[in-house]
Amino acid sequence: QSVLTQPPSASGTPGQRVTISCSGSSSNIGSNTVNWYQQLPGTAPKLLIYSNNQRPSGVPDRFSGSKSGTSASLAISGLQSEDEADYYCAAWDDSLNGPGVFGGGTKLTVL
Amino acid sequence: EVQLVQSGAEVKKPGATVKISCKVSGYTFTDYYMHWVQQAPGKGLEWMGLVDPEDGETIYAEKFQGRVTITADTSTDTAYMELSSLRSEDTAVYYCATVNNWNDVPHYWGQGTLVTVSS
Repeated sequence: QSVLTQPPSASGTPGQRVTISCSGSSSNIGSNTVNWYQQLPGTAPKLLIYSNNQRPSGVPDRFSGSKSGTSASLAISGLQSEDEADYYCAAWDDSLNGPGVFGGGTKLTVL
Repeated sequence: EVQLVQSGAEVKKPGATVKISCKVSGYTFTDYYMHWVQQAPGKGLEWMGLVDPEDGETIYAEKFQGRVTITADTSTDTAYMELSSLRSEDTAVYYCATVNNWNDVPHYWGQGTLVTVSS
């Protein structure tokens, strides 16, 4: 099981707002920033959100991130069919098991 | 533009060793930390380790400790990930990915390299 916990699936209809959660602990999300990645089938992950809520250049403002305590969330508003993908959260972890930790991923389906 | 270009797909027998390369461009190689991430078929992302190209310091995930070696060649701006004692469970796509802050996870990713372990 992954160090960060995400729901395995989420869904929404075009135009809807969808939220994906990511739960961690004091050694990772609680003390470091969170990144979110979008992975389309057969492609490498793409950075969607960094430093909890910052969007890289080129990422639509329909995507937003937030963090509170040991949890983080990714919100997608105005859902579009091309948003159907796997989404992963990740953070640095201060524990001895290794600094990089990922969530298990959430498969987003646009109905 | 930051670019990470990985070597091609590999097919290995159980017990063998694989070495994957990741050549970077668009930034100063020694200014960014290079991470490696495993993704088994149909599974999620798993962090393997990282190297600081400036001094060669490495950190490995407990799961891969003893079997993985990550290095950086500053003369060619290329990072390498070597995984030994391969078993079928190591069949996966391996990504190099980089970021310029110490306590951060990657921003830029390579295209991935498929390693198939089969007898």
